[in-house]
Amino acid sequence: QVQLQQSGPGLVKPSQTLSLTCAISGDSVSSKSTAWNWIRQSPSRGLEWLGRTYYRTNWYHDYGVSVKSRITINPDTSKNQFSLQLKSVTPEDTAVYYCAGGTGAGGMDVWGQGTTVTVSS
Amino acid sequence: EIVLTQSPGTLSLSPGERATLSCRASQSVSNSYVAWYQQKPGQAPRLLIYGASSRATGIPDRFSGSGSGTDFTLTISRLDPEDFAVYFCQQYGSSLFTFGPGTKVDFK
Repeated sequence: QVQLQQSGPGLVKPSQTLSLTCAISGDSVSSKSTAWNWIRQSPSRGLEWLGRTYYRTNWYHDYGVSVKSRITINPDTSKNQFSLQLKSVTPEDTAVYYCAGGTGAGGMDVWGQGTTVTVSS
Repeated sequence: EIVLTQSPGTLSLSPGERATLSCRASQSVSNSYVAWYQQKPGQAPRLLIYGASSRATGIPDRFSGSGSGTDFTLTISRLDPEDFAVYFCQQYGSSLFTFGPGTKVDFK
């Protein structure tokens, strides 16, 4: 079955870039039926979808309104994984970050284990 | 973006009772692309329902979803002790996905 394994630092300093990676097993980041998402969760903001990347005939990306100016989600076909970069972080970006995958019609049916990221000096 | 509102915020029930959770969207959700997730403390959300009414793989038939347009419902026909958790709705009918704030189902 499909599994997602997240990695990345748990502590990031304010104004720096948050970087996380999600390694995929049992599926391909280049799958033409799956989209690969990043979501975060905090007590103040609840569950917040950050964005996604997916391949059809080309690579596509969609980003959430609140982070659109600071976020990049990139696929890495050589390692079968995808990454999240969030620039210029503030303490408001402190949250549990999840990667998740799903088909266009089927919601997000596979999730990573979550990474707690704290933004603090 | 589409804003989702869930009610009630908390639902206090006993095992064996029926739970009815509501999710309302600020505008019509295309293709009824609404999903429901269950989350327990320290765990990632788990997909229960997609496309408003289709059960995900391995989900017991006591969970059912319904609705269209702007109003959607998750029903748990008879609460099992393992069902006490937080439930979120999510819309994916637009290119910008959004989640509702959640309904907590706890023990009465």
